[in-house]
Amino acid sequence: EVQLLESGGGLVQPGGSLRLSCAASGFTFSSYAMSWVRQAPGKGLEWVSGIGGSDSSTYYADSVKGRFTISRDNSKNTLYLQMNGLRAEDTAVYSCAIYVASEGYMDVWGKGTTVTVSS
Amino acid sequence: QSVLTQPPSVSAAPGQKVTISCSGSSSNIGNNYVSWYQHLPGTAPKLLICEDNKRPSGIPDRFSGSKSGTSATLGITGLQTGDEADYYCGTWDSSLSAWVFGGGTKLTVL
Repeated sequence: EVQLLESGGGLVQPGGSLRLSCAASGFTFSSYAMSWVRQAPGKGLEWVSGIGGSDSSTYYADSVKGRFTISRDNSKNTLYLQMNGLRAEDTAVYSCAIYVASEGYMDVWGKGTTVTVSS
Repeated sequence: QSVLTQPPSVSAAPGQKVTISCSGSSSNIGNNYVSWYQHLPGTAPKLLICEDNKRPSGIPDRFSGSKSGTSATLGITGLQTGDEADYYCGTWDSSLSAWVFGGGTKLTVL
């Protein structure tokens, strides 16, 4: 069974940092691109960042460019999101998803981890 | 403001049919596959339609997708109370080099 399990969320002060992890199982992790998507309270889904499978090319939403860094460790089947310079508007549930790049869709999603940015 | 435009809400009675529109441009819907997602609060979003009109394994044929030019549509027939959820369209935007979602549509089954 394909599973994605996010962790690393929590309460952080404005300007602080957090690193989210997404542990993957049940599929060949290195063969797939991955994405991070977030949902702020009362808002819709917002794509945050994506990373290629083998070439590890990276992509970012303008709202996080220069502050967030996506990476992956294929030996550990784990996806990461390093978040620096956090702002109140980054408060959201962050979910990882398998991105099928060839056909352009997000196949399986995790349930997410909550990030709260507040003083 | 989302790059893809969806109606904020739609509603219909049980057993009826509803459609949800998703409008974009040539840099996104017009030249890339559209997918649709169902999201219930507190749960992981679920892929309903991929590649404009294909249903993944396990998705009932009550759900359908179509695309024409720079607009896409999700159709749901035989509405059930369990279909009450938020629905999102999504696609790659070649100009932005970014994935984009619609703002989401809340479906109410009256």
